[in-house]
Amino acid sequence: QVQLVQSGAEVKKPGASVKVSCKASGYTFTTYAMHWVRQAPGQRLEWMGWIDAANGDPKYSQNFQDRVTITRDTSATTAYMELSSLTSEDTAMYYCARGEQWLMRYWGQGTLVTVSS
Amino acid sequence: EIVLTQSPGTLSLSPGERATLSCRASQSVGRNYLAWYQQKPGQAPRLLISDASSRATGIADRFSGSGSGTDFTLTISRLEPEDSAVYLCQQYADAPINFGGGTKVEIK
Repeated sequence: QVQLVQSGAEVKKPGASVKVSCKASGYTFTTYAMHWVRQAPGQRLEWMGWIDAANGDPKYSQNFQDRVTITRDTSATTAYMELSSLTSEDTAMYYCARGEQWLMRYWGQGTLVTVSS
Repeated sequence: EIVLTQSPGTLSLSPGERATLSCRASQSVGRNYLAWYQQKPGQAPRLLISDASSRATGIADRFSGSGSGTDFTLTISRLEPEDSAVYLCQQYADAPINFGGGTKVEIK
């Protein structure tokens, strides 16, 4: 069965960076894209970007263009999302989701990132 | 950018009743690429419906989706206690992908 297992919760100081991983199993990793979506407390889900797992080509939301980097390691069947220059507004649950193009059928369990001084 | 507006904000109904949730798009959603998700507290979203009306694998047939263009509906025909959750719509026709603000369904 398809599983996406994300790395554990993180606490970061303002200005720092965070890197979240998403380990995929149960399917051919390079067949599907991987999206990253976040949900801040009381806010709607916000799409951050995605990566074509076959060729490693990322696409980013304009809202995060300057601060987010999405990569993947095909040998490890793992995708990564790194967000830099963190502020308190980046405190959120971060999800990876397997993409059939833009449709997200399977989701990771989420990684809570807390930004606090 | 397509903006999605969901209504009502909260729906409070009894078990066995019918729930009708609305998702309205600011412009036409191409190819009816509209999905519905269920999200329970502390959990990731779970895909219910894709392409406006196609039920995902393993989803109970009391969940159905309809609509086209700018107006879409999720219907839960006979509410069960486990249907208590937030329901989200998402368009995946055009970048950026956007989600609605959600409808909270409470079971009395």
